[in-house]
Amino acid sequence: SQKIEQNSEALNIQEGKTATLTCNYTNYSPAYLQWYRQDPGRGPVFLLLIRENEKEKRKERLKVTFDTTLKQSLFHITASQPADSATYLCALRGGYNKLIFGAGTRLAVHP
Amino acid sequence: DVKVTQSSRYLVKRTGEKVFLECVQDMDHENMFWYRQDPGLGLRLIYFSYDVKMKEKGDIPEGYSVSREKKERFSLILESASTNQTSMYLCASSSKSGRLLLTDPSSYNEQFFGPGTRLTVL
Repeated sequence: SQKIEQNSEALNIQEGKTATLTCNYTNYSPAYLQWYRQDPGRGPVFLLLIRENEKEKRKERLKVTFDTTLKQSLFHITASQPADSATYLCALRGGYNKLIFGAGTRLAVHP
Repeated sequence: DVKVTQSSRYLVKRTGEKVFLECVQDMDHENMFWYRQDPGLGLRLIYFSYDVKMKEKGDIPEGYSVSREKKERFSLILESASTNQTSMYLCASSSKSGRLLLTDPSSYNEQFFGPGTRLTVL
C-alpha cells in the first residue's frame, strides 16, 4: 500500500543553523509533492510545490529537493529562526484532485 | 485574502448526539475536503466533494456523512457521535484541475485549510 513517512521525532536545532526535514514514500509515483506548515491549533498552510521533473525549488530561505529514484524529498530552512518552529507536512498527489499527507515533523528552533 | 472558515473552534458533544460541522470558503473552489487529524496519524481524508451535490468517500468515511448543497459550503455530519470520533477536524478547499498540465501551476491543487474544529465526544 502507499505510504508516506516523515520523522516522527521532533527536530531541535539552534537559531541560525539549517534545518533539514525528510519525506520518504513507497509504492507511489507522484507527479508532484507539496510542503505545508502547521502551527499548533491551526490548519496547515501551503509553502512550496515541486514537480517530478524538478530536482530543486527555492523560495526565500526555503529549499525543497525531490529525488524520484530515492523516493524522497528534503525540505531545508536556512538561517533558521525561532519563528520557524512549527510542524511541517509533506503531501503527495493521491489521485484526481486529492492529496495524501504525511504525519508531519515538528521543528523547534532554539535561540 | 482567501478564507476557509469553520463554524466552531471547539465543540463538546455527548455520545449518540448528531453533530454538524460546517465549512465555508470564499474562493469559488470546486473541491472541498474534510479531514481528521490525530497525533501520530496525520491528516486522514474522510470525504471530499468535487462539485455541488457530488461527494466521494475518503479513507475513513465510516460514521460520517456529508452534504454540499451550495458551492461554498460543505458540511460534515456525525450521525451518532462516539468517543473515538474525538479529534481535530479540518476542512480544506482547492480549485479544480483538469488534465495535469506541467506548464500550468494552477493545476496543482494547493489546498487551503480552515482553522480546524476540536471536537470532544464525552
